[in-house]
Formats: sequence, structure tokens, C-alpha cells
Amino acid sequence: DAGVIQSPRHEVTEMGQEVTLRCKPISGHDYLFWYRQTMMRGLELLIYFNNNVPIDDSGMPEDRFSAKMPNASFSTLKIQPSEPRDSAVYFCASSFGEPGELFFGEGSRLTVL
Amino acid sequence: AQTVTQSQPEMSVQEAETVTLSCTYDTSENNYYLFWYKQPPSRQMILVIRQEAYKQQNATENRFSVNFQKAAKSFSLKISDSQLGDTAMYFCAFMKHSRRNAGNMLTFGGGTRLMVKP
Repeated sequence: DAGVIQSPRHEVTEMGQEVTLRCKPISGHDYLFWYRQTMMRGLELLIYFNNNVPIDDSGMPEDRFSAKMPNASFSTLKIQPSEPRDSAVYFCASSFGEPGELFFGEGSRLTVL
Repeated sequence: AQTVTQSQPEMSVQEAETVTLSCTYDTSENNYYLFWYKQPPSRQMILVIRQEAYKQQNATENRFSVNFQKAAKSFSLKISDSQLGDTAMYFCAFMKHSRRNAGNMLTFGGGTRLMVKP
């Protein structure tokens, strides 16, 4: 299996622009997670899905952030409009069953100027 | 809410030596899981070892072992025969057990940067 695939690997954008991060989980996994990593706050869970349904989005910073999972093989995390404080590495992870080992993607490094 | 604390921001060890990374956590749960993840410079998080709270025996994976002290809420990672490839950030993480489809959420500690020196 190719593992969790994230794109883009790096994104540099200007404040106010829309950013879309993409994730393809491991085939057969029923959980998908979006994490954000910064020096100041470490690794924070933003939202997670079970069988494509959002279960807990309490970690989503504010209304500028939204996440979707239209099918079992694809998820997006969108930031609109982006701000410099959104600069971070965004990780997608997937797992199967409970408790399931989380498999992480390589992350998307976002820089908002 | 659960919290995970790693009190050592940075550590270094000589190649082939042994090093122990500390982790403490706070929870009111009785059933849970603990993990150590490694994040090398490539950025990808890799599971190193896991421990089920109901198991008294400490988990071991090759050169990696844990010292799980449930009463003290302590979960340290020991790396034996350290190798240059062990240089990475190490994160301790907590996951509570859930009967419903609401589990699998990991709470991470702040991380420990380990440098293995030749």
C-alpha cells in the first residue's frame, strides 16, 4: 500500500487566499484525522471522520477552516481566507477499527505570507 | 481532558549508548493506550511502540522498550544501542478506549528532540 498521501507537500500563499489541502487515506481505513503542527502549540487534532462522517471538529480553529470527506478515499481541509498564523505543517492520518494504529502522511507545509 | 507532558525538550546520546525519554500523562480514564511516535527530519510520524493500559507487561520492540507505571501515570521510552538513524523528534501520545465509534483520537505531548552523536 502507498500509505497516506497528502498534497501539496509545500504551499506558499499570500494572506487572504484560499488554501486547499488534500489527503488520500490508506484503502480500507475507516478513520481519518487532520492534525496541525506548530512550534508553539505542538500537534493539535483539528477534526476527524469515521466512515466519512465528521465526528469531532472541536479542534477546528474558526470558521475559516472547513474539512470534507466526500468518499472513503479522499478528504480536503480548506482555509478561506488564509492568515499568517495559519502557517504550520498539516498532517492527515488514517486508521482502521478501534483502537487503530494511526498512519500519518508526510504532511503539507503551509506558509502564509 | 487528557494531557501529556514531556519534560525534556532536547536530549543527546552517544551512538551505541542507551537513552531514556520521559513522559507523564494525566487522565481519569482507566482503559487507554499509550504510544511513542518518531518524527525524523523527513517529517512523517512513525509509530515506535504502543502499550495497552490493562497490560502490566512493558512493551518491547527490538531496541525500544517502555517503562509503564500506571499508578504514577508515567510512560518512558528506552532506546538501547542508539543508532544515528534514531535522531528525531519523539512524541508520547495518549488514546482513550472507547466503546463507541468515537475513539482513536491521539493527544500528543510536546515532543523531545533526540540527537544521536557519532
